[in-house]
Amino acid sequence: AQTVTQSQPEMSVQEAETVTLSCTYDTSESDYYLFWYKQPPSRQMILVIRQEAYKQQNATENRFSVNFQKAAKSFSLKISDSQLGDAAMYFCAYRSVRGSEKLVFGKGTKLTVNP
Amino acid sequence: EAGVVQSPRYKIIEKKQPVAFWCNPISGHNTLYWYLQNLGQGPELLIRYENEEAVDDSQLPKDRFSAERLKGVDSTLKIQPAELGDSAVYLCASSLSLYNEQFFGPGTRLTVL
Repeated sequence: AQTVTQSQPEMSVQEAETVTLSCTYDTSESDYYLFWYKQPPSRQMILVIRQEAYKQQNATENRFSVNFQKAAKSFSLKISDSQLGDAAMYFCAYRSVRGSEKLVFGKGTKLTVNP
Repeated sequence: EAGVVQSPRYKIIEKKQPVAFWCNPISGHNTLYWYLQNLGQGPELLIRYENEEAVDDSQLPKDRFSAERLKGVDSTLKIQPAELGDSAVYLCASSLSLYNEQFFGPGTRLTVL
């Protein structure tokens, strides 16, 4: 079974600075998807960024980018120019392209942005 | 476009009482998911629907949990009877199909006393 590990329960960053959230995963599959979701206090999960395993190029969405290291099974999220609105729980998630295709989530990292 | 709607947002009940959660997915979304999110954890899938058919309910505790999706639109998740350990957030999500992005609702926070 696939597992997702987020080793940083909490992180903090100064406004306008850059922060990197770590995620590792375990799988025997070669083709899959990886995601970062943001969950603010309102509890609504919002997709931040998505990476297809077959793509070597790291995904980027505005201030959010990932460092995908397939051999190391590592998928970190970099947030540049951090804003107060970035404060939230961030979850890393894995999804197979076959089988049940369900999302497997890590335990999350709580990000605090200090003004 | 309206997002995924869930109600109620909060529910407090005594143990052994029944409780039900309602989810209205985004219009046109065929796939609907119910997730359980315990405190300090990521969501875990309880059940997935393709239209009105439950196609993955392996994680649903069937002795006390049940779900339905009548006419392939709205869905209801029920717990009867509720136990103290059921206190959690219950999230609903929907997607156009299994292979599309999942959109989440705001969840229902259940407290069982």
